[in-house]
Amino acid sequence: AQKITQTQPGMFVQEKEAVTLDCTYDTSDQSYGLFWYKQPSSGEMIFLIYQGSYDEQNATEGRYSLNFQKARKSANLVISASQLGDSAMYFCAMREPYNQGGKLIFGQGTELSVKP
Amino acid sequence: ETGVTQTPRHLVMGMTNKKSLKCEQHLGHNAMYWYKQSAKKPLELMFVYSLEERVENNSVPSRFSPECPNSSHLFLHLHTLQPEDSALYLCASSQDGLAGEETQYFGPGTRLLVL
Repeated sequence: AQKITQTQPGMFVQEKEAVTLDCTYDTSDQSYGLFWYKQPSSGEMIFLIYQGSYDEQNATEGRYSLNFQKARKSANLVISASQLGDSAMYFCAMREPYNQGGKLIFGQGTELSVKP
Repeated sequence: ETGVTQTPRHLVMGMTNKKSLKCEQHLGHNAMYWYKQSAKKPLELMFVYSLEERVENNSVPSRFSPECPNSSHLFLHLHTLQPEDSALYLCASSQDGLAGEETQYFGPGTRLLVL
């Protein structure tokens, strides 16, 4: 069964600095997708970035980049130049293969606090 | 701006009430989802609808009853809920295909409190 692990319940970062949020996953499938979502205190889940298991390059979206290390089964999120508005919960998720239902499996989340 | 809307945003109900949560997606997607998120916990998938047919029901109690009248609308009908059902209920949609890469986009959620 697939599993997502986020080992950092909470993280602090100084404004304008970079921060890495850890995510490891466990799967025996060859084809899968990895996602990061941001959840502010208001509750909505905001899609940030996607990495496919066959993608050779690390995904990037503006200040977000995904450090994908397939052999280590890790998909860490790097946020560069942190802003106060980045304070939120961050969830790593993995999508099952479509022929197994295609469900999203979420990690426990990391609460990021950006200090001014 | 999200293409998935949910109403109401907040709901307080007694255990004997009947209420419904509504979700609408404006993204042209063919799959919709209900998730439950209890405090400080990861999301739990409740129901999946693909092409308006329910394809997943994760052992959800019968006091939760989903309805998908068309590909743009999804409802969650609630009746005789328990206090432990208090949570954030999130709706999501995606355009599903065989590639399995489709991103799920979420609505803002409904915060439910059962008294």
